[in-house]
Amino acid sequence: GALVYQYPRRTICKSGTSMRMECQAVGFQATSVAWYRQSPQKTFELIALSTVNSAIKYEQNFTQEKFPISHPNLSFSSMTVLNAYLEDRGLYLCGAREGEYEQYFGPGTRLTVL
Amino acid sequence: GEKVEQHESTLSVREGDSAVINCTYTDTASSYFPWYKQEAGKSLHFVIDIRSNVDRKQSQRLTVLLDKKAKRFSLHITATQPEDSAIYFCAGGSSGNKLIFGIGTLLSVKP
Repeated sequence: GALVYQYPRRTICKSGTSMRMECQAVGFQATSVAWYRQSPQKTFELIALSTVNSAIKYEQNFTQEKFPISHPNLSFSSMTVLNAYLEDRGLYLCGAREGEYEQYFGPGTRLTVL
Repeated sequence: GEKVEQHESTLSVREGDSAVINCTYTDTASSYFPWYKQEAGKSLHFVIDIRSNVDRKQSQRLTVLLDKKAKRFSLHITATQPEDSAIYFCAGGSSGNKLIFGIGTLLSVKP
């Protein structure tokens, strides 16, 4: 079946340091990969979307300079949170899309910033 | 920008009763409307979805209704059970595009 793995599941970093998280789609050919963040007590915000044959598109309030993403192929993606501060804490979800609609989400990486 | 609004921030029902969660969307190009469930401290779990080519979809105790004219869709849960308690998120999107999530509805099913 289609699965999305994320690593690490939980991480703690000191304020001002950086943290890298990974996402892997298994069992299907992903046509796009999206990274979302859920800040405490809030909903899920799209950070960036990568689609086959297109450049990574970042949403307003999120930049490549702050959240650089690497994806050698759409089955594997990694994102780094650079210079993390308190407002960056939350649950980071990776969603990989198969076909036009169905999107599978990983378990998320929960980031705590001290 | 595009929005998905979720009208009930909290909903409390008694076990066995029905629960309804309503959402509206603004983007007329939206054609895909999934629902997700998030239990405390956990990630998103897919519940059910509906595409714009139909106006109703049922899966066991879950039914999703879509009113494209009113840009409104809803999740109906019948015969609720305590394990249905969670935060439910509606979302809207179009083919190959991003999903926009609602704010979430905390459903509490009391025994």
